[in-house]
Amino acid sequence: VQLEESGPGLVKPSQTLSLTCSVSGASISDPSFYWSWVRQAAGKGLEWIGRVYITGTTDYNPSLNGRVAISLDTSKSQFSLILHSLTAADTAVYYCARGSPDVFQAFDYWGRGTLVSVSS
Amino acid sequence: QSVLTQPPSASGTPGQRVTISCSGTGSNIGDNYVYWYQQFPGTAPKLLIYRDDLRPSGVPDRFSASKSGTSASLAISGLRSGDEAHYYCAAWDNRLSGQVVFGGGTKLTVL
Repeated sequence: VQLEESGPGLVKPSQTLSLTCSVSGASISDPSFYWSWVRQAAGKGLEWIGRVYITGTTDYNPSLNGRVAISLDTSKSQFSLILHSLTAADTAVYYCARGSPDVFQAFDYWGRGTLVSVSS
Repeated sequence: QSVLTQPPSASGTPGQRVTISCSGTGSNIGDNYVYWYQQFPGTAPKLLIYRDDLRPSGVPDRFSASKSGTSASLAISGLRSGDEAHYYCAAWDNRLSGQVVFGGGTKLTVL
């Protein structure tokens, strides 16, 4: 199983971030799994952003105040993150990860992460 | 400030046993499973422990974990220099609509 993030490395304040996670070696359509985004600011801890199931069910971190949306594209075996109204506080490494029932809903596979900087 | 509380640092000498604590509340650790992740600089986190105290295949049995009430702990025995990393606890939190919460992370130094 491999996950790989892609997207712009630099985004301007107030703009919208769009990231994609490409999944290989596993079926993104398998209802057992969920697909998440986690971010980490430089020198800081991990922050969960949200998750999506193949059913379309989503859960998001309340601290993001409705700025986030996560969706699946089964035809491309990808899932995406949209984050609106960016500020410098959104500068971080963004990871995509899979949640699996095999490990009681823990994240068993992660992407390598992609650095997103929010700056004018 | 993280929802789960971990000490920012821990240390030990090779061969020693060290423990890292993780404190939460009834809405997270007290009511849900605890997970532990290991992260080396510049790399993605790796699952170390799931369902409070189970190790994924490939994780050495030097790593163990436990939970009691609203607290959890990770223990590493036979400490090695290669164990030097950040360790994060995590759990589901039932508050609001639910979310995954992490501890702030503990930097383990092997002296």
